[in-house]
Amino acid sequence: QVQLVQSGGEVKKPGASVRVSCETSGYTFTTYGISWVRQAPGQGLEWMGWISTYNGNTDYAQNVQGRVTMTADSSTNTAYMELGSLTSDDTAVYYCTRMLLNSGRIDLWGQGTLVTVSS
Amino acid sequence: DIQMTQSPSSLSASVGARVTITCRASQGIDNYLAWFQQKPGKAPKSLIYAASSLQSGVPSRFSGSGYGIDFTLTISSLQPEDFATYYCQQYKSYPHSFGHGTKLEIK
Repeated sequence: QVQLVQSGGEVKKPGASVRVSCETSGYTFTTYGISWVRQAPGQGLEWMGWISTYNGNTDYAQNVQGRVTMTADSSTNTAYMELGSLTSDDTAVYYCTRMLLNSGRIDLWGQGTLVTVSS
Repeated sequence: DIQMTQSPSSLSASVGARVTITCRASQGIDNYLAWFQQKPGKAPKSLIYAASSLQSGVPSRFSGSGYGIDFTLTISSLQPEDFATYYCQQYKSYPHSFGHGTKLEIK
């Protein structure tokens, strides 16, 4: 069964960092990329960036560039997204998605991880 | 960056109705356009890719069309389970931007 299973919710203080994991199963990890999308409460979807699990190349959205690091571990078929210097504006549900390498389209979503930033 | 503009932002319709949602790109994106459905408290679900190709398992009452700048998502006969929020996304160039969403509600 093809699936993406994300780590549990997190509560962080402003200025801290958070790491969200995305464990994949049911397919060959290195034949698809992983992109990350977030959704603030009551808001729309925001694309954050992606990583090629094949060669580790990344591309990040401008508004998180410098604060975000996406990595992929092919030995455990798990992708990670780390976001630092958190503010209340980073409170959101974070989704990992499976992305086709040849086109960039998303075909599968994880269940989401709620990250709450609060003092 | 490419901006995606969806309209309307919300829509009320009855079961059995035909509805159309539009998405306009700020520059040409060929057919690199996807549609997603999201229900409250759930992750989005992929519906359509390459502007008009149906994701496996998606009912045939959903269809997409368009090329270049203007795109549409049509639901031919609304079912109770179709009431949700719909998003378009371009994946022609980074960042892969989303529209702001269209909330489809029961009339």
